[in-house]
Amino acid sequence: DAKTTQPTSMDCAEGRAANLPCNHSTISGNEYVYWYRQIHSQGPQYIIHGLKNNETNEMASLIITEDRKSSTLILPHATLRDTAVYYCIVRSPNSGNTPLVFGKGTRLSVIA
Amino acid sequence: KAGVTQTPRYLIKTRGQQVTLSCSPISGHRSVSWYQQTPGQGLQFLFEYFSETQRNKGNFPGRFSGRQFSNSRSEMNVSTLELGDSALYLCTSSLVISYEQYFGPGTRLTVT
Repeated sequence: DAKTTQPTSMDCAEGRAANLPCNHSTISGNEYVYWYRQIHSQGPQYIIHGLKNNETNEMASLIITEDRKSSTLILPHATLRDTAVYYCIVRSPNSGNTPLVFGKGTRLSVIA
Repeated sequence: KAGVTQTPRYLIKTRGQQVTLSCSPISGHRSVSWYQQTPGQGLQFLFEYFSETQRNKGNFPGRFSGRQFSNSRSEMNVSTLELGDSALYLCTSSLVISYEQYFGPGTRLTVT
């Protein structure tokens, strides 16, 4: 079973920031938080990952709370092409390539 | 560099037949995993291969099998196809122990 909880769906106006929350209250010390997204009928795309510090890359920012029980993925200026299902996953990469366990994710709709 | 490639992209088979799907990882990546995606069950892990050895297996019946070749290319086989095997089959490519797994575009299998 997935170890994360996400809202089923969210809407965001084009050009505004999209903030996608994720709850992972049972995360253990060596587990990272990963975010993937899946645009309709394509393979999932890696977005970002983090352990405890906030992270930023060209696609998004990841804010992890101090207790690590929740996180927020931020798309700073959402575009129509960001419409997708976003998956938050917790995983430890330290014991080989443990499988990604996907939940149902959040369906983000960016509206013009 | 080229991404993960999967062939064929679309496939229609009849119940009882068998099917073989192929995945070529990113050059230099030696770990390949397979996932099944259906509307009802979402994304589920099938198996993972590294250096021609299966390192991890998900909870699927023995009709689902796979292998990896010395050039890291992988195939998965499904025998005695059932209607419920209709799904998008995705493979991922990664380094030995990696923070990031890269997904291919998938093979959409329809069983009639």
